[in-house]
Amino acid sequence: DTAVSQTPKYLVTQMGNDKSIKCEQNLGHDTMYWYKQDSKKFLKIMFSYNNKELIINETVPNRFSPKSPDKAHLNLHINSLELGDSAVYFCASSRDRANQPQHFGDGTRLSIL
Amino acid sequence: GNSVTQMEGPVTLSEEAFLTINCTYTATGYPSLFWYVQYPGEGLQLLLKATKADDKGSNKGFEATYRKETTSFHLEKGSVQVSDSAVYFCALSDQNTDKLIFGTGTRLQVFP
Repeated sequence: DTAVSQTPKYLVTQMGNDKSIKCEQNLGHDTMYWYKQDSKKFLKIMFSYNNKELIINETVPNRFSPKSPDKAHLNLHINSLELGDSAVYFCASSRDRANQPQHFGDGTRLSIL
Repeated sequence: GNSVTQMEGPVTLSEEAFLTINCTYTATGYPSLFWYVQYPGEGLQLLLKATKADDKGSNKGFEATYRKETTSFHLEKGSVQVSDSAVYFCALSDQNTDKLIFGTGTRLQVFP
């Protein structure tokens, strides 16, 4: 019944590794997002896809690469992880564009050792 | 560009106290406005929204009115409960960039 689900919930890894976070939504929404939330709870958008097409690509290091195999999935791959990548990453979806309410997953807490 | 400013927290209240969390915005055009709530260890949940001036959004005893003349969308609740302890985010939809612009969040702590 979970509307937006992300896996894994926790990710602990070492600097320099490559990791992926998966996101799936079963709401039939057209638009999906990735956000980064830092330790002070500040929330910043990273990417947005609409019907598998990239529409928002913020100033994010190109070590971060989103992939949307279909409109229900938006995965995030991160290469060469750095200490500053430690954060909580949230996936979200909305029916259409930004003026529609967004539904968030529970987040993936990424800790870099 | 568009932006949202929220009062800094934490806001600390006793149960049954009145709550106000201030939110003001800067925007061109006519954005929709939102309040989201984040409980510990969870993602953000939509609490309420308003899509045009003078609209009042309400949910679970919380209210906020879209005030264009003061560019504000303050969150209020008449009597808070311990279970309302969470971080509250004000947000607006940026029609030019298709983004949700979030405020920095305000932590609310309610004690019995």
